[in-house]
Amino acid sequence: NAGVMQNPRHLVRRRGQEARLRCSPMKGHSHVYWYRQLPEEGLKFMVYLQKENIIDESGMPKERFSAEFPKEGPSILRIQQVVRGDSAAYFCASSPLGGERQETQYFGPGTRLLVL
Amino acid sequence: RKEVEQDPGPFNVPEGATVAFNCTYSNSASQSFFWYRQDCRKEPKLLMSVYSSGNEDGRFTAQLNRASQYISLLIRDSKLSDSATYLCVVDPLELIFGTGTRLQVFP
Repeated sequence: NAGVMQNPRHLVRRRGQEARLRCSPMKGHSHVYWYRQLPEEGLKFMVYLQKENIIDESGMPKERFSAEFPKEGPSILRIQQVVRGDSAAYFCASSPLGGERQETQYFGPGTRLLVL
Repeated sequence: RKEVEQDPGPFNVPEGATVAFNCTYSNSASQSFFWYRQDCRKEPKLLMSVYSSGNEDGRFTAQLNRASQYISLLIRDSKLSDSATYLCVVDPLELIFGTGTRLQVFP
């Protein structure tokens, strides 16, 4: 059973471009979480999704950031018009069951975004 | 006050030493607690859950003190391979990560 997969592992963008980060959950997992780790800071929750539903996006910046988890395919975290402050490691995690976020979450390897 | 606070370290200890980390949390309604280990530039990996009665896994012991609202992680007989950042995670409604405590074990 492959673990959580994220791609790309490294992404370089110039200011103003768009960044698309992909996360494929573990097989059988229908819940995906996105976290951001800024330099010298802990992981910060961004958004929690089930298939075709955003359950909690309280940690998402109000502008330029969006996330989706379609019925088919990976979850996508999209950042439009990137700025230097978006440079960070973005981790995705998945869990198998619904409702309780106390469930163990399995993390992907992260995507390191660098905005020039 | 931060929701989850950890001493960032670094803790520099010799091989074989016993080292303990504490983590305090502010929400008394918190029900779930975990320790994660994060190696440099890697994703956090679950080390162990923390149960009310305390739990042990080999050289690692985790304890919860609800009255004082802290959890602890004790590592006995430290190995070089234990060098990493240890993240405390508390979940009242969503996972709240501490910034981590960096451990460096030297020969």
